Formats: sequence, structure tokens, C-alpha cells
Amino acid sequence: DIVLTQTPLSSLVTLGQAASISCRSSQSLLHSDGNTYLSWLQQRPGQPPRLLIYKISQRLSGVPDRFSGSGAGTDFTLKINRVEAEDVGVYYCMQGTQFHSFGQGTKLEIK
Amino acid sequence: DVQLVESGGALVQPGGSLRLSCVTSGFTFSNFWMHWVRQAPGKGLMWVSRINSDGSSTSYADSVRGRFSISRDNAKKTLYLEMNSLRAEDTAVYYCARMADFWGQGTLVTVSA
Repeated sequence: DIVLTQTPLSSLVTLGQAASISCRSSQSLLHSDGNTYLSWLQQRPGQPPRLLIYKISQRLSGVPDRFSGSGAGTDFTLKINRVEAEDVGVYYCMQGTQFHSFGQGTKLEIK
Repeated sequence: DVQLVESGGALVQPGGSLRLSCVTSGFTFSNFWMHWVRQAPGKGLMWVSRINSDGSSTSYADSVRGRFSISRDNAKKTLYLEMNSLRAEDTAVYYCARMADFWGQGTLVTVSA
């Protein structure tokens, strides 16, 4: 089974500053079809998860360009530029290369 | 608009059974693989099960294999999760998802005596 490890598990950020979340996989997420099925989801308090980014760096329509994803193989990063109050919540990385699994989640809070 | 609406969550005793449903609309249900994901109170997300578009192939997390069964009715655009031999650790909000771009609001399953 593929295990995803996120760091940090909690992040306290000043409004307008940047936040970065790392996701490390126990094995390469490069699929035999050439795609890397690593996604990032946001879960606001009391809400279901919402997809932000798929295939490492593809932003879903309507997601602000403050959100960006990068990485390859086993190491991936979600960056949030100019953090806003509405960004508070828990962020999960998720892989779909071999079945599906999620990271533990990173709680983003505002200072 | 795409909608996924789960139902069937309830309080059930350990060892009991429950059937969850997820009624969908706004997209061609029969074209998509569908998933169930759960979230225990205050915890993270855990993938539970998936089914391919015509229902001929299913997969399960180790912790539910042999107890849970996923199925679908493409004519009714509905996804199901049959849960048997329920345990306290199955207590969670269960989400239906068209992985990963659309999610339902979830339905709460509580396993307790």
C-alpha cells in the first residue's frame, strides 16, 4: 500500500504570507500510463473535501491561482501564496496511482 | 450542476448492518468510476471502496474487505455501500465521491451499543 506523509501537520500563517505543505510518498506515484496521480484537496470546517489540484499541478477550474502544486516521483508540494482567511481548513494530498490513499492532513490556521 | 446525495446513515449496534445510498445527478453516471471515502470524527480521510463504470470490478480497503460491498445501479444513477458486521471503528461520515472532483455532503454512521 502507498503511504503518504504530510509535513507539517499544522501551520500557523499570517494573512498575506505564503504557506507550503509537503507530501512524501512511500513509492513513486508515476503511473505506467505516464501520468502522476497526485492531487490536493481542501476541507473547510464542516464541509466535504474539495479538489484543488490534480496530476501534481493542474488547478481545477475556479481555484484561485494563489494555489500551486509541484513535484515529481515521491515528493510533492502545495504552495498557497498570499494566504486569505477563507483558506483556513485542512489540506490533504491524495494519490490515485495505486488504488487511493490520503495523507494525514495539514491544518492551516491564521495568526 | 453535479450533485451527489448520500443517505442511509444511522446509529447501529456492533455486529449490525446498514446500506448507504448515493443518488447522483448532473453528469453521465454510467461513464464514471465511483468511490466511498470515510472520515472518523476528528480524523482524516480514508478511502473505503471503488467500483468501475459498469459495476464489473470492485476494490476495497483491507479494513473493510469481506464486510462491505459496493454496487451501483446505472439506470437509477445510484451508488450503494452495503455494510455488514459493523464495528465501533467503522463510525464515520461516509462520503460518496466521483474521485476526486465531486463529493457528496456525507452521511453519518455511528456504531455503538
